[in-house]
Amino acid sequence: RKEVEQDPGPFNVPEGATVAFNCTYSNSASQSFFWYRQDCRKEPKLLMSVYSSGNEDGRFTAQLNRASQYISLLIRDSKLSDSATYLCVVNRGNNDMRFGAGTRLTVKP
Amino acid sequence: GAGVSQSPSNKVTEKGKDVELRCDPISGHTALYWYRQSLGQGLEFLIYFQGNSAPDKSGLPSDRFSAERTGGSVSTLTIQRTQQEDSAVYLCASSLEATAGFFGPGTRLTVL
Repeated sequence: RKEVEQDPGPFNVPEGATVAFNCTYSNSASQSFFWYRQDCRKEPKLLMSVYSSGNEDGRFTAQLNRASQYISLLIRDSKLSDSATYLCVVNRGNNDMRFGAGTRLTVKP
Repeated sequence: GAGVSQSPSNKVTEKGKDVELRCDPISGHTALYWYRQSLGQGLEFLIYFQGNSAPDKSGLPSDRFSAERTGGSVSTLTIQRTQQEDSAVYLCASSLEATAGFFGPGTRLTVL
């Protein structure tokens, strides 16, 4: 079993839709969590950190459930420009970060 | 520059040749990671350096792959006797304790 698991998708949604991705992790000692975004043929870039209390950045909401060992990303009012691959990242401690394989999102007009 | 840099940006080599890929992390970042990504696939963890600790090499796919990090800064990933299945984008990232990592632009390796 992979340490960080994501549904690879693809998720195909119309503009304006709300879409949610989940990510599960196996190391219960994991300390911090992030979502990254990767555009086609580009390197991954940090989208947002995930805090224990949940956090929101505009149309994006991230949540953490330590008991069930998953994190989620919710995108509201999807835009065409949201089309990308979304990567879940888990910091296992000692600054050791592991990435999920990513979930591909396509937003269609 | 202020970001992670990698060189070369593209490398085409013949099967059986050795290649060296270089990563310059962000200054002061203690952790450095190598990942690779095949076309249309997710990130595959290769190796992780943290300060002066022994690196975590658990992701290296074979003994043809090795990496070193000199002086806690620059890292070199070496692939010996390259095979066609080694063709991928090799990504390097660096980070500070408990913060998110920043990626370099990657090296696109093509083995003919």
